[in-house]
Amino acid sequence: TQLLEQSPQFLSIQEGENLTVYCNSSSVFSSLQWYRQEPGEGPVLLVTVVTGGEVKKLKRLTFQFGDARKDSSLHITAAQPGDTGLYLCAGYNNNDMRFGAGTRLTVKP
Amino acid sequence: DAGVIQSPRHEVTEMGQEVTLRCKPISGHDYLFWYRQTMMRGLELLIYFNNNVPIDDSGMPEDRFSAKMPNASFSTLKIQPSEPRDSAVYFCASSRSGGGVETQYFGPGTRLLVL
Repeated sequence: TQLLEQSPQFLSIQEGENLTVYCNSSSVFSSLQWYRQEPGEGPVLLVTVVTGGEVKKLKRLTFQFGDARKDSSLHITAAQPGDTGLYLCAGYNNNDMRFGAGTRLTVKP
Repeated sequence: DAGVIQSPRHEVTEMGQEVTLRCKPISGHDYLFWYRQTMMRGLELLIYFNNNVPIDDSGMPEDRFSAKMPNASFSTLKIQPSEPRDSAVYFCASSRSGGGVETQYFGPGTRLLVL
C-alpha cells in the first residue's frame, strides 16, 4: 500500500486540453513536492508547497496543497506535448520523504 | 555543475552475480539518497546518508543489498548475489541541508536487468 496515492495512474489527452492530477494520503505532511520525470532521466523538482491551502503557479501549472496538508493537486492548463512525463508527488515529514507511484501523462499533438 | 553522476547507465547480468552501482553526488551536497524504481512499486527509498553516515537503511530490501559512502564524493550500492526481481532503475540523488525541505537532485539512473 502506497503512503501517497496518485490518480489517475495514466492519462492521455490532446494538446490544448486542461487536466488535473491528484495526490492523496491519510497522513499529514509538513510539506509536499511535485517532480516531473521524463523517459530515461531522473525526476526533476517542479515545486514545494508548505502551508495548508497554499497555491503556487508555474507558468501553465497550478499546484495546491490541501488545507489539512494531506493532499495536493496539480492542474495543467492548455497541455502541450512537452508536458508529457511521469508526475510524482513526494510527502515530507521529519527528514523522511516518500514518493507516490506517479501519474503518467501523455499529451498528443 | 555536472549534476549527480551515476555509472553504469545500463547493466545486464546473470542471476547470482555481484552488481555494483556507483554515484558521485553534487559537490557541496551533504545528503545522498539511493532509490529503486519499478512499474509495480514506483520510486522507493532504499537508504540515505548524511555527511557520509548512513542515517536510514530501513528501505533496503534484504541483506543482499549494501551501500557505502567512503567519502563525500562517492557512494556505491552493491547487490550480492543478484536476483531477477532486483531488475529496476536505481537512482542516486543528493541534496544540501538548509534547515527545511531541500531539493533532491537526481542522477540519470542505472537500468539494471538481472537475467
